[in-house]
Amino acid sequence: QVQLQESGPGLVKPSQTLSLTCTVSGVSISSAGSYWTWIRQHPGKGLEGIGNIYYTGRTHYSPSLKSRVSMSLDTSKNQFSLRLTSVIAADTAVYFCARAEGVVMPGAIHNWGPGTQVSVSS
Amino acid sequence: EMVMTQSPATLSVSPGERATLSCRASQSVSSNLAWYQQKPGQAPRLLIYAASTRATGIPARFSGSGSGTDFTLTISSLQSEDIAVYYCQQYNDWWTFGQGTKVEIK
Repeated sequence: QVQLQESGPGLVKPSQTLSLTCTVSGVSISSAGSYWTWIRQHPGKGLEGIGNIYYTGRTHYSPSLKSRVSMSLDTSKNQFSLRLTSVIAADTAVYFCARAEGVVMPGAIHNWGPGTQVSVSS
Repeated sequence: EMVMTQSPATLSVSPGERATLSCRASQSVSSNLAWYQQKPGQAPRLLIYAASTRATGIPARFSGSGSGTDFTLTISSLQSEDIAVYYCQQYNDWWTFGQGTKVEIK
């Protein structure tokens, strides 16, 4: 059974860097067929894809966020991470880590973490 | 830029009745479409992928259809636990989510 859990600060100051980690259990992040993914949801709004990383380290980021986003894998801990630089109030959201299935490209998102609230405020 | 448009924004259905939700893509996404259910305070849950394939553990009352630009999610007999917001998502060209349809009990 695949499980994901987000962790990281719930409050970040404007202009600083948001850093989140997702701990995965039930599957190795080093195995093929899974894209490790970050999605966010602004208060009372819909879902927005941030990006994903494959076990090879190949990444794909949202065009609207790519200048500020980076993702990485820590295979020794079975974790993957998100960094979002120069945050502003509009980055306040619930952040979900997730697993999308796919080989050539990421497909549907089969597994989700419970989400973590991140607020940007001084 | 791909746009996914869901309708209606809110759907009121009596228990046991059929609920039909629509999702339209601004350009063809082939069958690269998924549906998710989200209840308040919870993460989304995958219901349907590849336009019509039910995800593991999803009841048979949920079904998906369509291809290209027009898609439908049908709940054949609405149960109280189906009250939620439903999102469609295309994964043909990056990812784009629809704005959601809120399903409520009439």
